[in-house]
Amino acid sequence: DIQMTQSPPSLSASLGDKVTITCQASQNINKYIAWYQQKPGKAPRQLIRYTSTLVSGTPSRFSGSGSGRDYSFSISNVESEDIASYYCLQYDNLWTFGGGTKLELK
Amino acid sequence: AVQLVESGGGLVQPGKSLKLSCSASGFTFSSYGMHWIRQAPGKGLDWVAYISSSSGTVYADAVKERFTISRDNAKNTLYLQLNSLKSEDTAIYYCARRANYGGFSPFDYWGQGVMVTVSS
Repeated sequence: DIQMTQSPPSLSASLGDKVTITCQASQNINKYIAWYQQKPGKAPRQLIRYTSTLVSGTPSRFSGSGSGRDYSFSISNVESEDIASYYCLQYDNLWTFGGGTKLELK
Repeated sequence: AVQLVESGGGLVQPGKSLKLSCSASGFTFSSYGMHWIRQAPGKGLDWVAYISSSSGTVYADAVKERFTISRDNAKNTLYLQLNSLKSEDTAIYYCARRANYGGFSPFDYWGQGVMVTVSS
């Protein structure tokens, strides 16, 4: 089974900051990684698929990159509506989530 | 619009069974693979099970032999039969649609979730 190590578990940012979250897979996942946002009491919402493709409705301040085992997700110019938890998901071999990152306001 | 609505959750004793349903609308249900994903209170997301459009199934190791995913395309409904429940199965259970991007695909639409509590 593929394991996904996501870091950091929590992140504190000021409005307007750029933040970056990383996910490392236990093996090459061939860019099959997606990123989800989850707000308290809500279902997750897909933001990015296939490493860097923004899904419809995702603001351009969100971005993703990476290859092989190592991937990153960034938010430039953090806005108040971005305060949430974020999860990576590998879908190269079955489906495995990272442990999540809780983004809070500083 | 795509809509997924789960039901059937509740409080159940350890060792007992429960059946969850997910009613789908706004898309051609029979053409899509479907998943169940769960989230224990205050914890992260865990994929549970998948059923393809042709009813092939795959399970996470933690639920294999205890949970059964199925679908009724005539009723546009996805199911998850939970047997031999343990306290560690306590979670919000979400149904989600497999995206149709061609080839490997993540989940695109999710339901609002249903709570399952396993406790004596």
